[in-house]
Amino acid sequence: GENVEQHPSTLSVQEGDSAVIKCTYSDSASNYFPWYKQELGKGPQLIIDIRSNVGEKKDQRIAVTLNKTAKHFSLHITETQPEDSAVYFCAASMGGADGLTFGKGTHLIIQP
Amino acid sequence: GAVVSQHPSRVICKSGTSVKIECRSLDFQATTMFWYRQFPKQSLMLMATSNEGSKATYEQGVEKDKFLINHASLTLSTLTVTSAHPEDSSFYICSARMQGSDGYTFGSGTRLTVV
Repeated sequence: GENVEQHPSTLSVQEGDSAVIKCTYSDSASNYFPWYKQELGKGPQLIIDIRSNVGEKKDQRIAVTLNKTAKHFSLHITETQPEDSAVYFCAASMGGADGLTFGKGTHLIIQP
Repeated sequence: GAVVSQHPSRVICKSGTSVKIECRSLDFQATTMFWYRQFPKQSLMLMATSNEGSKATYEQGVEKDKFLINHASLTLSTLTVTSAHPEDSSFYICSARMQGSDGYTFGSGTRLTVV
């Protein structure tokens, strides 16, 4: 089955700086790659996603890049703010009736 | 946007009893629903996939007789944890997928504590 690796497990950045979280996946059949933000005690919230026919997608301060050949995708957050502090998960899916395989998560800490 | 409602948000039960968790898609028809389990400070692990009107498909290592899943309609799936034990204490999260869509919408999760 699919295996998703995520790094780093913890990331601390100064407010206003950029944060980058990286993930790799193992199954070349995966074609949908979402990123979720999870706050303590809550369900994951989709922040951005990308499909395998696209190399990059941006939504204001958040961007995701996908390299299908290398089977890795990254989340980029610019101009970080205190409210960006949370646990972020990457995931991969083959679509259809396939569920999501999640990475282990990154605890992002924004230092004031 | 698509909304998934999950209830209850928290439940405490005695060891040996059963607990039912509901997951409803409020404004769309969910042909497929997914159930995940998340232990503290860990990732979400897929437990099972349910399609409306058919038996759920369980991931390897998940006991189907312990975690009963019913997906009786296009807007409701339930997970029943039978004969719960303290090791079943976890955060259970459902997710629904709209027909024809790539996206997954998650519920807010249920914190189960078995004492």
